[in-house]
Amino acid sequence: EAGVAQSPRYKIIEKRQSVAFWCNPISGHATLYWYQQILGQGPKLLIQFQNNGVVDDSQLPKDRFSAERLKGVDSTLKIQPAKLEDSAVYLCASSFRRNTEAFFGQGTRLTVV
Amino acid sequence: GQSLEQPSEVTAVEGAIVQINCTYQTSGFYGLSWYQQHDGGAPTFLSYNALDGLEETGRFSSFLSRSDSYGYLLLQELQMKDSASYFCAVPDNYGQNFVFGPGTRLSVLP
Repeated sequence: EAGVAQSPRYKIIEKRQSVAFWCNPISGHATLYWYQQILGQGPKLLIQFQNNGVVDDSQLPKDRFSAERLKGVDSTLKIQPAKLEDSAVYLCASSFRRNTEAFFGQGTRLTVV
Repeated sequence: GQSLEQPSEVTAVEGAIVQINCTYQTSGFYGLSWYQQHDGGAPTFLSYNALDGLEETGRFSSFLSRSDSYGYLLLQELQMKDSASYFCAVPDNYGQNFVFGPGTRLSVLP
């Protein structure tokens, strides 16, 4: 079975620029998560989707971050405008049901300069 | 909210046994999971404990004591490839999302 696909793998942008990340979850997985992982820390949840609906976005900085899940499959996470502190790895994960084993993609390493 | 504590680093030699502890504080409890992450890689699921006791999967075992809000991951017959970060994780207050611990970096020496 194909894993969670993410792109791009790496991105370098200047502060105040915009950036978007793409995620394709494992086929049939209804739950999709976006996590932010700062170097040396554990992943922190940004947003969770169940099919194409948002279940939890309480930790998403909504003034600059947005996310959508088109037709309950692919998802995009956008940052506009980026700040230096947004430098991190952005991980997408999916699971068959909520709170079951999560399968992670390789992540996008974002560097804001 | 949820909070988890893990040792930041553990070092052991090849062939040895190592235990990585995790203590947690949660409003509700829905189970404890463990994930492994190699440098530059994706976290991968290792185990899940919903009930007290030991779960064994090959060289890896995971233990849970709900009364002590404590769990550990036991790695036996350590191999160089086990060098990675290990995260414990619990579902949030609503049993929906995973809250990850700060991670324990395991270094396996020859």
